[in-house]
Amino acid sequence: QQQVRQSPQSLTVWEGETAILNCSYENSAFDYFPWYQQFPGEGPALLISILSVSNKKEDGRFTIFFNKREKKLSLHIADSQPGDSATYFCAASEGQQGTGSKLSFGKGAKLTVSP
Amino acid sequence: GALVYQYPRRTICKSGTSMRMECQAVGFQATSVAWYRQSPQKTFELIALSTVNSAIKYEQNFTQEKFPISHPNLSFSSMTVLNAYLEDRGLYLCGAREVGGYAEQFFGPGTRLTVL
Repeated sequence: QQQVRQSPQSLTVWEGETAILNCSYENSAFDYFPWYQQFPGEGPALLISILSVSNKKEDGRFTIFFNKREKKLSLHIADSQPGDSATYFCAASEGQQGTGSKLSFGKGAKLTVSP
Repeated sequence: GALVYQYPRRTICKSGTSMRMECQAVGFQATSVAWYRQSPQKTFELIALSTVNSAIKYEQNFTQEKFPISHPNLSFSSMTVLNAYLEDRGLYLCGAREVGGYAEQFFGPGTRLTVL
């Protein structure tokens, strides 16, 4: 059972546009949501994360919008650059301070930024 | 900063043989280490979660007999793929979490296993 779902599976935007990647989840107990960026041949790198007590988290060009009631969140990448072309994974876990809690991953969204 | 190294980056083994992969946390103390396998379709499968001073928890479809894990201290973990077959191919990722902090999990670059 897929606990974290992502859409779209792939997205192409022009350089300078805002890319929006969506994520939804099933488990109401999830309270920590990281986004990972993965380039081909590399491991996933933590990009930005949000706790369920917040509805927005910004870090430079990257913003997470979180809607707890609808169990949805989205990653907005402003002023997209060709170097942002990668696969992005939404993940979730419960018990954000528990080192024993595991992450559930979505299947990823491949972003292509065209110059 | 927090870094996670994995060794080897790539390995090829014959069907039926075993191979060991290592994970090293640098710059932080890894209380827990999670081993994942990422399929060619990019899907993550959690193999097991290892927390220092606790038993290693294996996920369904993964066993200690097939994927024995060692987590002897707060900076190192290793996992062996025993008796590897084609279905064991993939990118094996180590994700480590800091002591006492929030749940940020930092990943290594992975060990890509090819089985001939």
